[in-house]
Amino acid sequence: NAGVMQNPRHLVRRRGQEARLRCSPMKGHSHVYWYRQLPEEGLKFMVYLQKENIIDESGMPKERFSAEFPKEGPSILRIQQVVRGDSAAYFCASRGQGNTGELFFGEGSRLTVL
Amino acid sequence: GQNIDQPTEMTATEGAIVQINCTYQTSGFNGLFWYQQHAGEAPTFLSYNVLDGLEEKGRFSSFLSRSKGYSYLLLKELQMKDSASYLCAVDSGTYKYIFGTGTRLKVLA
Repeated sequence: NAGVMQNPRHLVRRRGQEARLRCSPMKGHSHVYWYRQLPEEGLKFMVYLQKENIIDESGMPKERFSAEFPKEGPSILRIQQVVRGDSAAYFCASRGQGNTGELFFGEGSRLTVL
Repeated sequence: GQNIDQPTEMTATEGAIVQINCTYQTSGFNGLFWYQQHAGEAPTFLSYNVLDGLEEKGRFSSFLSRSKGYSYLLLKELQMKDSASYLCAVDSGTYKYIFGTGTRLKVLA
């Protein structure tokens, strides 16, 4: 039973380019979360999605960042016109049905902006 | 606002016991989680408390007091492999899991 799969694991972009990060949740999970982590810091909530719906995007910058979780396929976190400050690890997590429950994390995507 | 506080760093000796504290102030509460994260790796689930009291799971125990907004993670018989960051997270009841900044634990031989 595969866990949460994220790709790419490492991504290098130049300033102004686009970064597209993908996350396939655990089988049977319909709740997806994206978190951002800077070195030696905690996880900062960005967005919470269910299939075809953004439930809470209060942690995501209004500009340049967008997220989706289509009916078919992985969840995608898209960062347009990247800047150096976007360099971070982006973790995706999923959970099963119900109002709460442990989050299962992917290995993260590490974005470096040159 | 939403706030979760943990010590930044702790050091302990192999074989010892260490207690990592977490205090929280959130608009709602639907449970508290502890995660372990080794450097460069994904966080992994350790424990979940929703009612007051102690939950024990092998060498790890977690305690919760909802009235005090306080939890701790207790690690016994420390091993070198326990060197990691320990993240306290609260489900604030709005489906948003809020994480503290994490406590970096260094276990010395």
